[in-house]
Amino acid sequence: EAQVTQNPRYLITVTGKKLTVTCSQNMNHEYMSWYRQDPGLGLRQIYYSMNVEVTDKGDVPEGYKVSRKEKRNFPLILESPSPNQTSLYFCASTSRQGGGTEYTFGSGTRLTVV
Amino acid sequence: GNSVTQMEGPVTLSEEAFLTINCTYTATGYPSLFWYVQYPGEGLQLLLKATKADDKGSNKGFEATYRKETTSFHLEKGSVQVSDSAVYFCARGAQGGSEKLVFGKGTKLTVNP
Repeated sequence: EAQVTQNPRYLITVTGKKLTVTCSQNMNHEYMSWYRQDPGLGLRQIYYSMNVEVTDKGDVPEGYKVSRKEKRNFPLILESPSPNQTSLYFCASTSRQGGGTEYTFGSGTRLTVV
Repeated sequence: GNSVTQMEGPVTLSEEAFLTINCTYTATGYPSLFWYVQYPGEGLQLLLKATKADDKGSNKGFEATYRKETTSFHLEKGSVQVSDSAVYFCARGAQGGSEKLVFGKGTKLTVNP
Protein backbone atom coordinates (compact mmCIF):
# COMPACT_ATOMS: atom_id res chain seq x y z
CA GLU A 1 0.00 0.00 0.00
CA ALA A 2 1.30 3.42 -1.02
CA GLN A 3 1.73 5.50 2.08
CA VAL A 4 3.60 8.16 3.99
CA THR A 5 4.50 7.14 7.53
CA GLN A 6 5.21 9.69 10.23
CA ASN A 7 6.42 9.03 13.72
CA PRO A 8 5.59 9.73 16.43
CA ARG A 9 1.89 10.58 16.24
CA TYR A 10 2.02 12.50 19.50
CA LEU A 11 4.95 14.08 21.30
CA ILE A 12 5.24 16.26 24.36
CA THR A 13 8.67 17.72 25.01
CA VAL A 14 10.36 20.49 26.92
CA THR A 15 11.86 23.68 25.58
CA GLY A 16 15.35 23.20 24.20
CA LYS A 17 15.38 19.41 23.99
CA LYS A 18 16.30 18.35 20.47
CA LEU A 19 13.81 16.14 18.68
CA THR A 20 13.32 14.51 15.31
CA VAL A 21 10.06 13.64 13.59
CA THR A 22 10.56 10.93 11.02
CA CYS A 23 8.84 10.64 7.65
CA SER A 24 9.11 7.77 5.21
CA GLN A 25 7.41 7.10 1.86
CA ASN A 26 7.31 3.90 -0.16
CA MET A 27 6.34 5.38 -3.52
CA ASN A 28 9.80 6.35 -4.79
CA HIS A 29 8.73 9.98 -5.00
CA GLU A 30 11.36 12.61 -5.52
CA TYR A 31 9.57 15.55 -3.92
CA MET A 32 8.79 15.58 -0.21
CA SER A 33 7.78 18.38 2.12
CA TRP A 34 6.82 19.30 5.66
CA TYR A 35 3.87 21.45 6.69
CA ARG A 36 2.63 22.75 9.98
CA GLN A 37 -1.03 23.32 10.71
CA ASP A 38 -2.17 26.00 13.12
CA PRO A 39 -5.71 27.18 13.90
CA GLY A 40 -6.78 30.01 11.64
CA LEU A 41 -3.66 29.74 9.53
CA GLY A 42 -4.23 26.55 7.57
CA LEU A 43 -1.17 24.59 6.53
CA ARG A 44 2.12 26.28 5.81
CA GLN A 45 5.14 24.72 4.20
CA ILE A 46 8.25 24.47 6.39
CA TYR A 47 10.81 22.81 4.14
CA TYR A 48 10.81 20.79 0.98
CA SER A 49 13.13 18.50 -0.90
CA MET A 50 13.25 18.06 -4.66
CA ASN A 51 15.46 14.97 -4.44
CA VAL A 52 18.23 13.32 -2.43
CA GLU A 53 20.56 15.94 -0.94
CA VAL A 54 18.42 18.77 -2.36
CA THR A 55 16.44 20.69 0.25
CA ASP A 56 15.15 24.23 0.50
CA LYS A 57 13.19 26.51 2.78
CA GLY A 58 9.46 26.83 2.57
CA ASP A 59 7.40 29.65 4.03
CA VAL A 60 8.12 29.12 7.74
CA PRO A 61 11.55 27.45 8.08
CA GLU A 62 12.82 29.22 11.20
CA GLY A 63 13.68 26.81 13.99
CA TYR A 64 13.66 23.72 11.79
CA LYS A 65 16.15 21.61 9.88
CA VAL A 66 15.70 18.76 7.46
CA SER A 67 17.86 16.21 5.71
CA ARG A 68 17.41 13.99 2.68
CA LYS A 69 20.12 11.39 2.68
CA GLU A 70 17.98 8.82 0.93
CA LYS A 71 14.93 9.09 -1.24
CA ARG A 72 12.41 7.47 1.06
CA ASN A 73 13.17 9.42 4.26
CA PHE A 74 12.77 13.10 5.08
CA PRO A 75 13.13 13.77 8.81
CA LEU A 76 12.20 17.08 10.42
CA ILE A 77 14.62 18.20 13.12
CA LEU A 78 13.97 20.72 15.86
CA GLU A 79 17.37 21.49 17.38
CA SER A 80 16.01 23.60 20.21
CA PRO A 81 12.21 23.45 20.31
CA SER A 82 10.25 26.39 21.65
CA PRO A 83 6.58 26.66 22.67
CA ASN A 84 5.71 28.49 19.44
CA GLN A 85 6.53 25.27 17.60
CA THR A 86 3.62 23.55 19.28
CA SER A 87 1.61 22.51 16.27
CA LEU A 88 0.30 19.68 14.11
CA TYR A 89 2.89 18.61 11.55
CA PHE A 90 2.32 16.82 8.26
CA CYS A 91 4.78 15.23 5.93
CA ALA A 92 3.82 14.98 2.26
CA SER A 93 5.18 13.09 -0.70
CA THR A 94 4.45 14.25 -4.22
CA SER A 95 4.43 12.73 -7.66
CA ARG A 96 3.80 14.24 -11.05
CA GLN A 97 1.43 12.23 -13.18
CA GLY A 98 -0.15 12.75 -16.54
CA GLY A 99 -3.30 14.13 -14.99
CA GLY A 100 -1.51 16.46 -12.60
CA THR A 101 0.32 16.35 -9.31
CA GLU A 102 -0.61 13.87 -6.59
CA TYR A 103 0.05 14.65 -2.95
CA THR A 104 0.05 11.97 -0.27
CA PHE A 105 0.07 13.07 3.38
CA GLY A 106 1.15 11.30 6.50
CA SER A 107 -1.20 10.95 9.45
CA GLY A 108 0.30 13.90 11.28
CA THR A 109 2.39 14.47 14.39
CA ARG A 110 0.93 16.53 17.18
CA LEU A 111 3.80 18.23 18.98
CA THR A 112 3.52 20.07 22.27
CA VAL A 113 6.51 22.02 23.57
CA VAL A 114 6.24 23.08 27.21
CA GLY B 1 0.28 37.00 -5.19
CA ASN B 2 -0.14 33.31 -4.77
CA SER B 3 -2.84 32.54 -2.29
CA VAL B 4 -6.01 30.68 -1.55
CA THR B 5 -8.91 32.36 0.21
CA GLN B 6 -11.73 30.31 1.59
CA MET B 7 -14.86 31.11 3.49
CA GLU B 8 -14.24 31.61 7.16
CA GLY B 9 -16.06 29.42 9.56
CA PRO B 10 -17.25 27.96 11.62
CA VAL B 11 -20.24 26.79 9.64
CA THR B 12 -23.08 25.07 11.45
CA LEU B 13 -25.85 23.32 9.52
CA SER B 14 -28.67 20.95 10.20
CA GLU B 15 -28.64 17.49 8.67
CA GLU B 16 -29.81 17.44 5.03
CA ALA B 17 -29.05 21.13 4.53
CA PHE B 18 -27.24 22.39 1.45
CA LEU B 19 -23.57 23.21 1.88
CA THR B 20 -21.39 25.70 0.05
CA ILE B 21 -17.87 26.57 1.10
CA ASN B 22 -16.39 29.27 -1.10
CA CYS B 23 -12.81 29.15 -2.30
CA THR B 24 -10.96 31.53 -4.61
CA TYR B 25 -7.35 31.43 -5.65
CA THR B 26 -4.69 33.53 -7.28
CA ALA B 27 -2.20 31.98 -9.64
CA THR B 28 -0.28 32.41 -12.84
CA GLY B 29 -1.52 29.77 -15.21
CA TYR B 30 -3.88 26.93 -14.34
CA PRO B 31 -2.75 24.89 -11.39
CA SER B 32 -4.55 21.84 -10.05
CA LEU B 33 -7.08 22.57 -7.32
CA PHE B 34 -7.95 20.41 -4.35
CA TRP B 35 -10.28 20.04 -1.43
CA TYR B 36 -8.94 18.21 1.60
CA VAL B 37 -10.95 17.10 4.61
CA GLN B 38 -9.75 16.59 8.16
CA TYR B 39 -12.08 14.65 10.44
CA PRO B 40 -11.71 15.20 14.19
CA GLY B 41 -8.43 13.80 15.46
CA GLU B 42 -7.34 12.58 12.05
CA GLY B 43 -4.96 13.58 9.29
CA LEU B 44 -5.63 15.12 5.89
CA GLN B 45 -7.59 13.21 3.30
CA LEU B 46 -7.99 14.21 -0.29
CA LEU B 47 -11.70 14.80 -0.87
CA LEU B 48 -11.65 15.79 -4.54
CA LYS B 49 -9.58 17.53 -7.13
CA ALA B 50 -9.69 19.16 -10.55
CA THR B 51 -6.72 19.49 -12.84
CA LYS B 52 -7.94 21.88 -15.52
CA ALA B 53 -10.49 24.57 -16.20
CA ASP B 54 -14.15 23.45 -16.22
CA ASP B 55 -13.26 20.12 -14.61
CA LYS B 56 -15.64 18.99 -11.90
CA GLY B 57 -14.25 17.01 -9.02
CA SER B 58 -16.68 14.88 -7.04
CA ASN B 59 -16.58 12.41 -4.17
CA LYS B 60 -18.93 11.29 -1.37
CA GLY B 61 -21.64 13.61 -2.66
CA PHE B 62 -19.36 16.65 -2.65
CA GLU B 63 -18.63 18.56 -5.84
CA ALA B 64 -16.45 21.44 -6.92
CA THR B 65 -15.97 22.96 -10.37
CA TYR B 66 -12.77 24.63 -11.55
CA ARG B 67 -13.86 28.08 -12.76
CA LYS B 68 -11.04 29.97 -14.39
CA GLU B 69 -13.24 33.00 -15.16
CA THR B 70 -13.89 33.60 -11.49
CA THR B 71 -10.74 31.80 -10.20
CA SER B 72 -12.95 29.80 -7.89
CA PHE B 73 -13.36 26.23 -6.73
CA HIS B 74 -16.37 26.28 -4.41
CA LEU B 75 -17.25 23.11 -2.54
CA GLU B 76 -20.90 22.01 -2.53
CA LYS B 77 -23.00 19.20 -1.19
CA GLY B 78 -26.73 18.91 -1.62
CA SER B 79 -27.54 17.21 1.67
CA VAL B 80 -25.03 17.09 4.48
CA GLN B 81 -24.85 14.42 7.15
CA VAL B 82 -23.61 14.50 10.72
CA SER B 83 -20.63 12.45 9.56
CA ASP B 84 -19.55 15.34 7.30
CA SER B 85 -18.56 17.36 10.35
CA ALA B 86 -14.90 18.16 9.77
CA VAL B 87 -12.49 20.88 8.73
CA TYR B 88 -12.29 21.47 4.99
CA PHE B 89 -9.24 22.93 3.26
CA CYS B 90 -9.07 24.31 -0.23
CA ALA B 91 -5.63 24.09 -1.84
CA ARG B 92 -3.89 25.18 -5.00
CA GLY B 93 -1.30 22.93 -6.53
CA ALA B 94 2.08 23.32 -8.12
CA GLN B 95 3.17 26.43 -9.96
CA GLY B 96 6.23 26.64 -12.15
CA GLY B 97 8.96 24.42 -10.76
CA SER B 98 7.55 24.34 -7.26
CA GLU B 99 5.48 21.43 -6.05
CA LYS B 100 4.20 23.40 -3.09
CA LEU B 101 0.56 23.13 -2.12
CA VAL B 102 -0.87 26.44 -0.99
CA PHE B 103 -3.72 25.99 1.47
CA GLY B 104 -6.59 28.12 2.56
CA LYS B 105 -7.07 28.62 6.27
CA GLY B 106 -9.68 25.92 6.62
CA THR B 107 -13.41 25.97 7.31
CA LYS B 108 -14.83 24.04 10.23
CA LEU B 109 -18.19 22.46 9.48
CA THR B 110 -20.49 21.13 12.17
CA VAL B 111 -23.62 19.27 11.14
CA ASN B 112 -26.28 18.81 13.80
CA PRO B 113 -28.86 16.02 13.76
